[in-house]
Amino acid sequence: EAGVTQSPTHLIKTRGQQATLRCSPISGHTSVYWYQQALGLGLQFLLWYDEGEERNRGNFPPRFSGRQFPNYSSELNVNALELEDSALYLCASSLGRVDGDTQYFGPGTRLTVL
Amino acid sequence: AQKVTQAQTEISVVEKEDVTLDCVYETRDTTYYLFWYKQPPSGELVFLIRRNSFDEQNEISGRYSWNFQKSTSSFNFTITASQVVDSAVYFCAMKGGSEKLVFGKGTKLTVNP
Repeated sequence: EAGVTQSPTHLIKTRGQQATLRCSPISGHTSVYWYQQALGLGLQFLLWYDEGEERNRGNFPPRFSGRQFPNYSSELNVNALELEDSALYLCASSLGRVDGDTQYFGPGTRLTVL
Repeated sequence: AQKVTQAQTEISVVEKEDVTLDCVYETRDTTYYLFWYKQPPSGELVFLIRRNSFDEQNEISGRYSWNFQKSTSSFNFTITASQVVDSAVYFCAMKGGSEKLVFGKGTKLTVNP
């Protein structure tokens, strides 16, 4: 069974540009989560989508946004990129609507903002 | 608010040593879930174990074992007879009612040959 996949693996942008990151969940999973892992800041929760709706949001500015498609894949968009947005962005998926269900992670997209 | 503390930032051991990674959590929820993940240099977080707050039984899986103690709010992870392939960053995490997974800052384990 295929795991969570993310694309691209690496992304290099300049300050002020927009970045789009993509995630495909494990088959049968309806929930998708996004996390940012910046150097020295640990893993920070960004967004949670389930059944196409945004269910929860971390403490990030509105320029971080996303969506979930009918096939449960998801996009994370980061507008007006800043140098501090450079980080590993991890996507996870879970069965959804199940208390404490396990989140399985993808390999991540490493975003570098120059 | 929930909080997970991994006090050990980095641990270095020699192969075949046993090593314990500490995890202390804080929550007001009566129902919660605890997790351990491994992050090798490749970057992908690998799920290791999940426990719910009602199940304090310790668990062993091969060389890995976990000790969950509600009395001390701890969920420690022990690797027996460590191997070089165990070198990674290990994260403890918890989830309560908010569905948000809260991570500790991780412990970097280096196993030297």
